[in-house]
Amino acid sequence: ELKVEQNPLFLSMQEGKNYTIYCNYSTTSDRLYWYRQDPGKSLESLFVLLSNGAVKQEGRLMASLDTKARLSTLHITAAVHDLSATYFCAVAQGTGNQFYFGTGTSLTVIP
Amino acid sequence: ETGVTQSPTHLIKTRGQQVTLRCSSQSGHNTVSWYQQALGQGPQFIFQYYREEENGRGNFPPRFSGLQFPNYSSELNVNALELDDSALYLCASSFWNSYEQYFGPGTRLTVT
Repeated sequence: ELKVEQNPLFLSMQEGKNYTIYCNYSTTSDRLYWYRQDPGKSLESLFVLLSNGAVKQEGRLMASLDTKARLSTLHITAAVHDLSATYFCAVAQGTGNQFYFGTGTSLTVIP
Repeated sequence: ETGVTQSPTHLIKTRGQQVTLRCSSQSGHNTVSWYQQALGQGPQFIFQYYREEENGRGNFPPRFSGLQFPNYSSELNVNALELDDSALYLCASSFWNSYEQYFGPGTRLTVT
């Protein structure tokens, strides 16, 4: 059974600081996704990573994928309050691209 | 282009009852996946439908069942509701084996 683990589960960081969220998964996959979820809302797609070594950046967020290590990272640069949310990684499996989500990282950015 | 829609938005049911949740796919998408997200957890894959057939199922009991219709809309049915079924239910649509899935706004189910 595919397992997807994220750490940390909870992250409280000051504005302006940098931090990295880690996503480890247990079986081979070359499709890794990052989502953001605000309280009571659905999932907002942030990044789609489709190959080993893929790196994508949008604003203060940058995601990377190492399929050999089965590891993806989401790096936050100079955090701002608007980034406060829960972040999920998801690994795709199966012919229909079924998603298996991590446990989530609840990020709070404090002034 | 219309996005993924789900109905109802919120629902309260009593333990032992049955519930049907609905999902309308984004235009042209022929694959629908359903996920259950309990409070404080990540979404869990329930099952997926392609061309009206189930294509893959997560670790959920048979009382969770689904349908996909010729217009690619979908239903999730849950029988004999339990308190632990309280969750946000998300559907996602896509083209078959496309790498991108589009999530709907979700249905919040509360079982009392």
